[in-house]
Amino acid sequence: AQKITQTQPGMFVQEKEAVTLDCTYDTSDPSYGLFWYKQPSSGEMIFLIYQGSYDQQNATEGRYSLNFQKARKSANLVISASQLGDSAMYFCAMRATFGNEKLTFGTGTRLTIIP
Amino acid sequence: DTGVSQDPRHKITKRGQNVTFRCDPISEHNRLYWYRQTLGQGPEFLTYFQNEAQLEKSRLLSDRFSAERPKGSFSTLEIQRTEQGDSAMYLCASSLRGTGAHSGANVLTFGAGSRLTVL
Repeated sequence: AQKITQTQPGMFVQEKEAVTLDCTYDTSDPSYGLFWYKQPSSGEMIFLIYQGSYDQQNATEGRYSLNFQKARKSANLVISASQLGDSAMYFCAMRATFGNEKLTFGTGTRLTIIP
Repeated sequence: DTGVSQDPRHKITKRGQNVTFRCDPISEHNRLYWYRQTLGQGPEFLTYFQNEAQLEKSRLLSDRFSAERPKGSFSTLEIQRTEQGDSAMYLCASSLRGTGAHSGANVLTFGAGSRLTVL
C-alpha cells in the first residue's frame, strides 16, 4: 500500500518569495515515481514535476524543483520567486513504476500568494 | 490538441436518479483514468482503461458504478441510483505511456472534472 502525507493544509507566502511545500510518502515498492500537481479554482489538475525513485538528480522544471530525500521518504516541492498565479491547491502523488497503475494523492496544501 | 474534455461540467440530480459523465481524452492517448475527488481531499482512483480494455477497478467502484470505453476513444462513467455520498468531482485523465521527457513517468493529463451534486 502507498500513502502520501501533506501536513500543511494552508500556506501564505509573500509574492516573489520562495516556498516549500512538504510531502512525505510510504511505500513498499522498490521503484516508484513521485509527482506534484497544481489545482487552481477552475478544478483542472495541472502536472508540475516528476521524480523517479532511482533518478540521480533532483528534478527541476522552470521555477519548480523537487527536493527528493529518499532515506527520509520526502519529496518537497520548492517554488522559487512565487507569483500571484501560483495561488492554488497543490497535491503530491506517487505510483509504483511497474504493475499497479493507481496514482495515490495526498490531501493537498492550499497556497495563497500575498501581493 | 484540445486536452481532456469532460461533460457535463456540473450536474445536480435527485437521489435515486442515474447520471452519466463523458470523457474525451487526448486523441493519441491510449490510457484513460477516472478519479473521484471529494471536498478537502485529493483525488481517489476509480478505474483505468488501456484502449478499450478496463484493466483495473478500485474497491470504491461499487456495483452502482460502471465505466466503458467503447472503441478505445471516449469513455463514459455511469452512476445508477445515486446517493448523497456520490456527491463529488469526477475527474478523467489520459496518458500515453512510454513517451516524452518523462517516459517512465506515465504523466496523466487531467480534464477539468464533472461536479456532481446529489440532493
